Amino acid sequence: GENVEQHPSTLSVQEGDSAVIKCTYSDSASNYFPWYKQELGKRPQLIIDIRSNVGEKKDQRIAVTLNKTAKHFSLHITETQPEDSAVYFCAATRGDSTLTFGKGTMLLVSP
Amino acid sequence: DGGITQSPKYLFRKEGQNVTLSCEQNLNHDAMYWYRQDPGQGLRLIYYSQIVNDFQKGDIAEGYSVSREKKESFPLTVTSAQKNPTAFYLCASSPRRGTYEQYFGPGTRLTVT
Repeated sequence: GENVEQHPSTLSVQEGDSAVIKCTYSDSASNYFPWYKQELGKRPQLIIDIRSNVGEKKDQRIAVTLNKTAKHFSLHITETQPEDSAVYFCAATRGDSTLTFGKGTMLLVSP
Repeated sequence: DGGITQSPKYLFRKEGQNVTLSCEQNLNHDAMYWYRQDPGQGLRLIYYSQIVNDFQKGDIAEGYSVSREKKESFPLTVTSAQKNPTAFYLCASSPRRGTYEQYFGPGTRLTVT
């Protein structure tokens, strides 16, 4: 079945710096890769996603890149702000249309 | 995702008791999912349903049961057979099979002592 590895598990940056979170997946048939942001005690919120026919997608300060050959995708956050502090999860689709999630990255942005 | 509700927010039970967690959505979504979240473990799929009156086991279904009698509702029962039931439980929905985007409810934190 699909396996999704996410790194790093924690990431500390200064306000204004960039942050990059990386995920690898195992199923070459995966074709949809979302990223979720979860603040403490809250629900995960979809922040950006990418499909397999696209190499990069941007939405203001966040971007996702996908390398299907290498089976990895990354989340890039530029000009980080304290409110970006949260746990971020990547995911990839499986053959049954469900998602397999990575274990999460705790991002801490210090003012 | 404001259209997905879970109740209650916090739930306390004694060991050996079954407990049912509620999940309701008014988004007219076909598919619904239950996940369990433990610290450092990400989200693990318990059960999912892609259409009314049908559901499938996920990766960690043992000790859990579900029903999908109505499109809007997908309750999860945590049975006494679940060895370590204390966790944060999240329900999600997506428009239909093959659309993939999932939207989450606010979650229920279950504590069993």
